[in-house]
Amino acid sequence: QKEVEQNSGPLSVPEGAIASLNCTYSDRGSQSFFWYRQYSGKSPELIMSIYSNGDKEDGRFTAQLNKASQYVSLLIRDSQPSDSATYLCAVNVYSSASKIIFGSGTRLSIRP
Amino acid sequence: DTEVTQTPKHLVMGMTNKKSLKCEQHMGHRAMYWYKQKAKKPPELMFVYSYEKLSINESVPSRFSPECPNSSLLNLHLHALQPEDSALYLCASSQEAGLANYEQYFGPGTRLTVT
Repeated sequence: QKEVEQNSGPLSVPEGAIASLNCTYSDRGSQSFFWYRQYSGKSPELIMSIYSNGDKEDGRFTAQLNKASQYVSLLIRDSQPSDSATYLCAVNVYSSASKIIFGSGTRLSIRP
Repeated sequence: DTEVTQTPKHLVMGMTNKKSLKCEQHMGHRAMYWYKQKAKKPPELMFVYSYEKLSINESVPSRFSPECPNSSLLNLHLHALQPEDSALYLCASSQEAGLANYEQYFGPGTRLTVT
């Protein structure tokens, strides 16, 4: 079983609509959850972090965490063409040391 | 300021060459990381340094040799690489690398091609 799972997409959303990106994880001990945006040929850029159950809002972005369901999501309101990118979910795991594991990413396309 | 810098941006090397990738951060972070990313795949962790000591080596082949000269600098020494090692090499840093992971900030990466 993959430790962090995301739908690879592509997810196509009309401009101005809400884009909803989902992620599930397998390690119940995970405490920290991150969303990164990666444009083609560029490095990942941190856009949200969330550590507690519930919602966290930052501008047009809302991260949602449900530890009981082992589920984390990212909502992007008023989607813009510049939001077209791959979105990576990252979750911390602990075995011999703590590290973060990335999901395979969801490719988001905003159509004008 | 959340800037991590990496040099060079691009590197082409032969299988018998020795080269080094460099990474620098001035955010006072005490954890630094090397990742490898192949096309259309997520970043894969290679090494973690915490307080200038190697804390994680993800069973990386010895042809990759990391070095952390001080808390701001991280190097990755490359020797006798294979063509399949061609990838984007990403450096990241975070405040700490303890049980409750802190946010990691990535540099722009070095695009490595092994011929």
